[in-house]
Amino acid sequence: DTEVTQTPKHLVMGMTNKKSLKCEQHMGHRAMYWYKQKAKKPPELMFVYSYEKLSINESVPSRFSPECPNSSLLNLHLHALQPEDSALYLCASRPQGGQGTEAFFGQGTRLTVV
Amino acid sequence: GESVGLHLPTLSVQEGDNSIINCAYSNSASDYFIWYKQESGKGPQFIIDIRSNMDKRQGQRVTVLLNKTVKHLSLQIAATQPGDSAVYFCAEKDPGAGKLIFGQGTTLQVKP
Repeated sequence: DTEVTQTPKHLVMGMTNKKSLKCEQHMGHRAMYWYKQKAKKPPELMFVYSYEKLSINESVPSRFSPECPNSSLLNLHLHALQPEDSALYLCASRPQGGQGTEAFFGQGTRLTVV
Repeated sequence: GESVGLHLPTLSVQEGDNSIINCAYSNSASDYFIWYKQESGKGPQFIIDIRSNMDKRQGQRVTVLLNKTVKHLSLQIAATQPGDSAVYFCAEKDPGAGKLIFGQGTTLQVKP
């Protein structure tokens, strides 16, 4: 199983809503990532989890709150988002350690904030 | 085949020609580099990788070249096919922080 599964595939939410994005992998990877991607732009790193602990926060606004309940799951909790937060949110995982190992990406959640 | 010396956002090639996509990376300490292909509405898909102690690596129809002196990476696609049409991103890994950072991306358009 070399899949990273993200749910939902599409999400429309209002600016006062609270929602969560979910990511799951069963490859035993201990590094997991959240990226944000706007149209025609590269993915931008948001958060990195290493062994279920938050290791990198790229100065992401607090309306985005990540959570790693266990080694297979990664959540992104959303609250009071703005229309400019509309984007494709990508989750990725890779084995921790080692000089070079690829990151596997999910298909993303297309988020629209109205 | 078609190639670009500097990064350009779009590369248009004829089916069957070779393509060369270039990428400049920023961190001289990066120890690992990956090329990803991203089709519309999908997540990035791994194509090929290279470690910093190598200059060249070949896969099936693809070759990655690494020039650490000028911090430059290229992806060569042989006999480009319509199914190769996508956006191609290079990514570099910072060995210290474990970050995987993406370059700007090139849209490859293959003309039949």
